[in-house]
Amino acid sequence: GAGVSQTPSNKVTEKGKYVELRCDPISGHTALYWYRQSLGQGPEFLIYFQGTGAADDSGLPNDRFFAVRPEGSVSTLKIQRTERGDSAVYLCASSPQGMAYTEAFFGQGTRLTVV
Amino acid sequence: DAKTTQPTSMDCAEGRAANLPCNHSTISGNEYVYWYRQIHSQGPQYIIHGLKNNETNEMASLIITEDRKSSTLILPHATLRDTAVYYCIVPSGTYKYIFGTGTRLKVLA
Repeated sequence: GAGVSQTPSNKVTEKGKYVELRCDPISGHTALYWYRQSLGQGPEFLIYFQGTGAADDSGLPNDRFFAVRPEGSVSTLKIQRTERGDSAVYLCASSPQGMAYTEAFFGQGTRLTVV
Repeated sequence: DAKTTQPTSMDCAEGRAANLPCNHSTISGNEYVYWYRQIHSQGPQYIIHGLKNNETNEMASLIITEDRKSSTLILPHATLRDTAVYYCIVPSGTYKYIFGTGTRLKVLA
């Protein structure tokens, strides 16, 4: 049925707080990605999961960012001690295999604003 | 870094063909070229991809040069709803996209 679902669609938080962003991929898609997009820029790669494991987390900017996918389906991106510079749209995408082989399906994103 | 370069912006008259170029001079023999677009406030949407041969689907056509160093996305009859940022992507490795800044296409009434 549905495409990639991200919740919440908007999140406003205070500087220093902890936030969790959720992604529900398309059922059966083993590959899941998180990207971050700042205003006027293209999406920036953060992390890639193949199944339950993070196959590539080289895009996570620092150790305040962490993501999990414990059952190989839903994923949560966690940001500790948020900073104003973390404000962006966080995009999730899934694909049946890696992006090089098949198209990826993106969610509508979560707009995070740190005040 | 992104493996592609695209013009920053383009305009196109409604009903005319929009031709969006992309350079990918360092592409390897087995790497695909993907095109996505992003309409304001939405996630990127897949358009088309190709390896060597020209491709066509219900949304667009993709023309890849024989040396594979460049390609052109063609929207045959652009409408106002095609106004978006268009990204040309050559996947980095086997599994991820590195996005550039794309081409901002404005379709004019």
